[in-house]
Amino acid sequence: QKEVEQNSGPLSVPEGAIASLNCTYSDRGSQSFFWYRQYSGKSPELIMFIYSNGDKEDGRFTAQLNKASQYVSLLIRDSQPSDSATYLCAGTNSGNTPLVFGKGTRLSVIA
Amino acid sequence: NAGVTQTPKFQVLKTGQSMTLQCAQDMNHNSMYWYRQDPGMGLRLIYYSASEGTTDKGEVPNGYNVSRLNKREFSLRLESAAPSQTSVYFCASRPDLNQRQYFGPGTRLTVL
Repeated sequence: QKEVEQNSGPLSVPEGAIASLNCTYSDRGSQSFFWYRQYSGKSPELIMFIYSNGDKEDGRFTAQLNKASQYVSLLIRDSQPSDSATYLCAGTNSGNTPLVFGKGTRLSVIA
Repeated sequence: NAGVTQTPKFQVLKTGQSMTLQCAQDMNHNSMYWYRQDPGMGLRLIYYSASEGTTDKGEVPNGYNVSRLNKREFSLRLESAAPSQTSVYFCASRPDLNQRQYFGPGTRLTVL
């Protein structure tokens, strides 16, 4: 059973701080990873994807991938109250297989 | 370009009733998916279709059937609804390998 594990939270950070969200995965064949943000009552929306080891930055967001440790993370710099949401980590291997989602981490940014 | 659309947005059923959830995408994507989301359980895959004419079971297929009607449409049917099927159902589509999935707005289903 391929699994993606996330701490359910809630993770509380003060406004302006760095929020660090973590994810581990069991399938060593996983090649691509995605971070989705989901506001309460809404559908998930993609905020970052990463395929290669290392860091990938996009604005206030940085995704980090370490395939040797089977670890993916998402850093949110200068956290804002509008970042308060559930963040879902997902991975897939290189074949035509569906994404495997973690259960999500709930982030709360306190003003 | 509407993306992924789902109907209905809300539905209340009685135990034993049947219904079909509709999903359509206008992005010419090959793969389509049905998920259910329950509190604390994340997104669980029910069925998926990697291409027109094919369907495969996901993690929680029992009690559901699907039809990939054409490239645009992928429907989910509950033949005899049970209270355990109370959930939020999301449809998603994906263009190709290793690409992002696009989600529809969801259907909130309550089975009494």
